[in-house]
Amino acid sequence: KAGVTQTPRYLIKTRGQQVTLSCSPISGHRSVSWYQQTPGQGLQFLFEYFSETQRNKGNFPGRFSGRQFSNSRSEMNVSTLELGDSALYLCASSPGTGLGEKLFFGSGTQLSVL
Amino acid sequence: AQRVTQPEKLLSVFKGAPVELKCNYSYSGSPELFWYVQYSRQRLQLLLRHISRESIKGFTADLNKGETSFHLKKPFAQEEDSAMYYCALSGRAGKSTFGDGTTLTVKP
Repeated sequence: KAGVTQTPRYLIKTRGQQVTLSCSPISGHRSVSWYQQTPGQGLQFLFEYFSETQRNKGNFPGRFSGRQFSNSRSEMNVSTLELGDSALYLCASSPGTGLGEKLFFGSGTQLSVL
Repeated sequence: AQRVTQPEKLLSVFKGAPVELKCNYSYSGSPELFWYVQYSRQRLQLLLRHISRESIKGFTADLNKGETSFHLKKPFAQEEDSAMYYCALSGRAGKSTFGDGTTLTVKP
């Protein structure tokens, strides 16, 4: 089985721009969650999508949004980029049907905002 | 609210010494607890989870509900254990909360 795939691997943007990140989950997984990883704050939960619906949401501003398609692929969008948005963005997939599920992570998209 | 605290950002031990990475959680219900590991230049992966109670690479973790802790232990650390370790909690399907992580360095 192919693992979780995230594209692009690296992104460089300037303040005020917007960006879209993509995540393809493991085949058969219906849950995709997104995390922001920074050296100082670890992994912060952004949101989770299950069967094309946002099921869980973290404490990020509305500039951060996402969606999920019928094939479970997910995109994350960040509008009006700020310098503090520079981070590694990870997505993880799981079957999504219960507690105690193992998360499978992608390699991440490294976003740099200049 | 779900909260996970890993009090040590950095931990350094010598090869062959015991190691314990601390994790405390806050959750009003009965959460599922996990440890994830990220080796250098590799993606984040599951190390162990409470429900399976299995020992992976010699690591174990005991859930202490009274102290709301889920500390990770290994009796004899190896150099290849050097990595970033994250404790995580899942209180409901689809949402996992991670601690800030502990960087473990095992010195020869």
